[in-house]
Amino acid sequence: KQEVTQIPAALSVPEGENLVLNCSFTDSAIYNLQWFRQDPGKGLTSLLLIQSSQREQTSGRLNASLDKSSGRSTLYIAASQPGDSATYLCAVRPRTGAQKLVFGQGTRLTINP
Amino acid sequence: EAEVAQSPRYKITEKSQAVAFWCDPISGHATLYWYRQILGQGPELLVQFQDESVVDDSQLPKDRFSAERLKGVDSTLKIQPAELGDSAMYLCASSLSGAADALGSPLHFGNGTRLTVT
Repeated sequence: KQEVTQIPAALSVPEGENLVLNCSFTDSAIYNLQWFRQDPGKGLTSLLLIQSSQREQTSGRLNASLDKSSGRSTLYIAASQPGDSATYLCAVRPRTGAQKLVFGQGTRLTINP
Repeated sequence: EAEVAQSPRYKITEKSQAVAFWCDPISGHATLYWYRQILGQGPELLVQFQDESVVDDSQLPKDRFSAERLKGVDSTLKIQPAELGDSAMYLCASSLSGAADALGSPLHFGNGTRLTVT
């Protein structure tokens, strides 16, 4: 059974810092991995989708990498801003079993002005 | 940018009452999902539709929950009777048409319905 873990559960950094959020998964047989952002009381906003054949995806100040063999993905945020404060979730689409998205519990990020 | 619409945004109900949530996916998205998210956790899939057909409802508590997507467009999720443990955020998502395409396509979420059962 696929399991997704995000560590740490919460992270607080000063504005302007570059930071990395981590996501690990137990089964490397995946179609893709997706990173989402969730603001308090809101739904999920898709940030980046990495297909299993890709190593990384970039969007603005965000860069997501995927290492299937080690079961890891990172989300790099450059020059962090207070508006980046949110919970960040990763989810994998397994190739086996029910093939439904499996989410991590998220990392709650706070950027301090 | 097209969005997934959900209503209501908030719902407070007493236990044993019935409650219903509505979702309108992005136009052209044949795959629709209902997720439940308990505070501090990631979303968990309740039911997945491909057009009007249920593809996966293995995690749907069928004794009290029901979902339909009669014309393959908008969808309704119902709980009857509601229990205290049903308090959560109910999220709807959609992705591109075709079950095979959906596996490689990103999910787009609505803003959810926050349910509180008292």
